[in-house]
Amino acid sequence: GEDVEQSLFLSVREGDSSVINCTYTDSSSTYLYWYKQEPGAGLQLLTYIFSNMDMKQDQRLTVLLNKKDKHLSLRIADTQTGDSAIYFCAESMYSGGGADGLTFGKGTHLIIQP
Amino acid sequence: DTAVSQTPKYLVTQMGNDKSIKCEQNLGHDTMYWYKQDSKKFLKIMFSYNNKELIINETVPNRFSPKSPDKAHLNLHINSLELGDSAVYFCASSQVGGGDTQYFGPGTRLTVL
Repeated sequence: GEDVEQSLFLSVREGDSSVINCTYTDSSSTYLYWYKQEPGAGLQLLTYIFSNMDMKQDQRLTVLLNKKDKHLSLRIADTQTGDSAIYFCAESMYSGGGADGLTFGKGTHLIIQP
Repeated sequence: DTAVSQTPKYLVTQMGNDKSIKCEQNLGHDTMYWYKQDSKKFLKIMFSYNNKELIINETVPNRFSPKSPDKAHLNLHINSLELGDSAVYFCASSQVGGGDTQYFGPGTRLTVL
């Protein structure tokens, strides 16, 4: 079955790097995503990685994928107060014949300490 | 320009009522979705729909039904509302074959009294 696991909370100091981890069980996942949800707001797509990639970097964000261990991480460099949010890991089993939707982790609450 | 929009943003209603939430996307995507986010922030797919097929999460009660008047809209109808239906409902869209990256609407907070 499909299962995506994340830690529920992460606390970091402002200016440090944040690393949010995610594990998934379905080896047929083709795309893996990170979404951000600020309080009272919708889901903002941060970045995604295709399953044949190991790493993707986009400004302060670095995504690492270890397909063997089914482990995905999101690193946020120089964490700022505006990064305070819930971060969701999600996987897609797009098969080319249709879309079954995304399977989300339970979300990691990123807390920034001054 | 709003890519995926939902109305209303907030919906408060009594148990037993029937209500609808509207969703529109102007991205030209061919697939749309409804997700439910509960009070613990857990997100679950409810439906995915394109012009070929509707995929229903088997855990969704049949009181919930999606209706698509055209490719840009997927509305969610809920009959006989129950207290447990209180949640935030998100609409999303994607282009299957274009990476399946999904773009979400701002959400509709439904409160059933």
